[in-house]
Amino acid sequence: GQSLEQPSEVTAVEGAIVQINCTYQTSGFYGLSWYQQHDGGAPTFLSYNALDGLEETGRFSSFLSRSDSYGYLLLQELQMKDSASYFCAVRGPDGGFKTIFGAGTRLFVKA
Amino acid sequence: DAGVIQSPRHEVTEMGQEVTLRCKPISGHNSLFWYRQTMMRGLELLIYFNNNVPIDDSGMPEDRFSAKMPNASFSTLKIQPSEPRDSAVYFCASSMGQGTGNTIYFGEGSWLTVV
Repeated sequence: GQSLEQPSEVTAVEGAIVQINCTYQTSGFYGLSWYQQHDGGAPTFLSYNALDGLEETGRFSSFLSRSDSYGYLLLQELQMKDSASYFCAVRGPDGGFKTIFGAGTRLFVKA
Repeated sequence: DAGVIQSPRHEVTEMGQEVTLRCKPISGHNSLFWYRQTMMRGLELLIYFNNNVPIDDSGMPEDRFSAKMPNASFSTLKIQPSEPRDSAVYFCASSMGQGTGNTIYFGEGSWLTVV
């Protein structure tokens, strides 16, 4: 089966850097994704890692270590609008169609 | 593109009634997913289709739930009979399947309340 673990909530101040960790277990691995969801909204895609290393997209970066079954999302220069829930998700094991989400990390950004 | 379109956006129904949720995926996407989100259980994958064929329905909670995809542009999730514990946000999502990143695009959700 597939399972993911991430912290339930994180609090940080505006302008700071925050890292949200995710560990996963899956019988087949086709990549780790991150999604953002604001209250009352739908999850939206942020980033995807299929290979080890860091992927950078503006203020957001995502890292993957396949040997450790571990990844993280790094948010820099935090803004109030970054207050949201962040989900890691894995594809596989059936060739990638099935995507399972972690329980989500609620990020509170304080002024 | 208009994105994934779901209807109804909000529904309040009485226990025992039939509920039908509808979804139009993004044109050209070949995978369609139904997720349910609650505070207690998070985002649960109920069922997904690839090229209109149900691939995995292991997340469907019980026989009261059924889903169909009669063509590439339409899917339904039906609950019959509905129960208060079915109250949740139901998201439909679609993707290009095995494209780069397999980005999943979510609809705005159908907020279901069963009283």
